[in-house]
Amino acid sequence: AQSVAQPEDQVNVAEGNPLTVKCTYSVSGNPYLFWYVQYPNRGLQFLLKYITGDNLVKGSYGFEAEFNKSQTSFHLKKPSALVSDSALYFCAVRCTSGTYKYIFGTGTRLKVLA
Amino acid sequence: EAQVTQNPRYLITVTGKKLTVTCSQNMNHEYMSWYRQDPGLGLRQIYYSMNVEVTDKGDVPEGYKVSRKEKRNFPLILESPSPNQTSLYFCASMATGAYSNQPQHFGDGTRLSIL
Repeated sequence: AQSVAQPEDQVNVAEGNPLTVKCTYSVSGNPYLFWYVQYPNRGLQFLLKYITGDNLVKGSYGFEAEFNKSQTSFHLKKPSALVSDSALYFCAVRCTSGTYKYIFGTGTRLKVLA
Repeated sequence: EAQVTQNPRYLITVTGKKLTVTCSQNMNHEYMSWYRQDPGLGLRQIYYSMNVEVTDKGDVPEGYKVSRKEKRNFPLILESPSPNQTSLYFCASMATGAYSNQPQHFGDGTRLSIL
């Protein structure tokens, strides 16, 4: 079965430290990969995507993500965390085999401590 | 402003009373989708639509109906709601075709409580 895994329910990091939010996937073909962020009482907002090309993609608010095909991973990173980065983060995969089916991970709550 | 608008934002109702959650987008997107978000389960797709009059089941379609009579609107219908449909619901839209690698745009959500 196709799936997206976010192994950590919560990640705590001190402000100013680097952060990593992990995502691995099990999807056939060459899917498109996305990260979204959700703030309280709001919908998901797009952060960044990997379609093809350079394995390191840069997105909004200083976030970046590294695609690793051999490990089927797409980890979200930021060199220096801010308290305002505290939110719920979702990894998502869009299957490209003729459909627009999306699979989301279960989400990781990031808590940046001042 | 480009947006996806859901109504209502909050609804408390009782088992068996039909309800409709509306979703409208102003970006002329072909693709629209409904998700439900539950703790520990992330977002699960209920239904999606590739264009007017074209809809398909997602992963958890039981108990829900949708229609796509106009490009901008994609209502979610619960004919006979049950308590296990208590959840946070999101509508999303996305450009397709030449823009098929674009992200989805999400509404702000509808919190449904079925008593």
